[in-house]
Amino acid sequence: EDQVTQSPEALRLQEGESSSLNCSYTVSGLRGLFWYRQDPGKGPEFLFTLYSAGEEKEKERLKATLTKKESFLHITAPKPEDSATYLCAVPTSGTYKYIFGTGTRLKVLA
Amino acid sequence: DTEVTQTPKHLVMGMTNKKSLKCEQHMGHRAMYWYKQKAKKPPELMFVYSYEKLSINESVPSRFSPECPNSSLLNLHLHALQPEDSALYLCASSQQYGGRTDTQYFGPGTRLTVL
Repeated sequence: EDQVTQSPEALRLQEGESSSLNCSYTVSGLRGLFWYRQDPGKGPEFLFTLYSAGEEKEKERLKATLTKKESFLHITAPKPEDSATYLCAVPTSGTYKYIFGTGTRLKVLA
Repeated sequence: DTEVTQTPKHLVMGMTNKKSLKCEQHMGHRAMYWYKQKAKKPPELMFVYSYEKLSINESVPSRFSPECPNSSLLNLHLHALQPEDSALYLCASSQQYGGRTDTQYFGPGTRLTVL
């Protein structure tokens, strides 16, 4: 069965304290892995798409990496404005549709 | 520009009302989606339109009726909803449905409350 699991469920960091969020997936034939940021009451904001193991993408303080079983979202020297829920999603093996993980709620304290 | 717009931002309706949610994109995308999201849960897919034709209906109750009048617009017609239908309704679009151009861009959502 296709599955996406994110950890930790919640994370509190001090400003400047780097950390990583994990997205583990079980699908047959990965057709992409997508990272989104979501602020409370708003729609998800697209961050990255990764397609192949070993691929990396960066944007400001965020860096996403992909292996054959999981993806990491590394946050370097976070700021309070990075506080949000971070979601990852992968398309299912059969009918093409996203499975979302349950997200990691990140809180960065000043 | 990766903007998807949704109206209204907030909607309160009674169980006997009929209302519609609207979604618009001008990115030339040919796939559009409706999702439902409850608090502290991930988005759940409801419908997918590809080239203005319904491709996926995730066994959504008939009180939700989607419509895609053209490639830029997507509507969700609501009728006889239940209080448990209260949620954030998200519209998304992608260049194509499936494949390497399927990165989905989401709108800001409509917060729906059913009394």
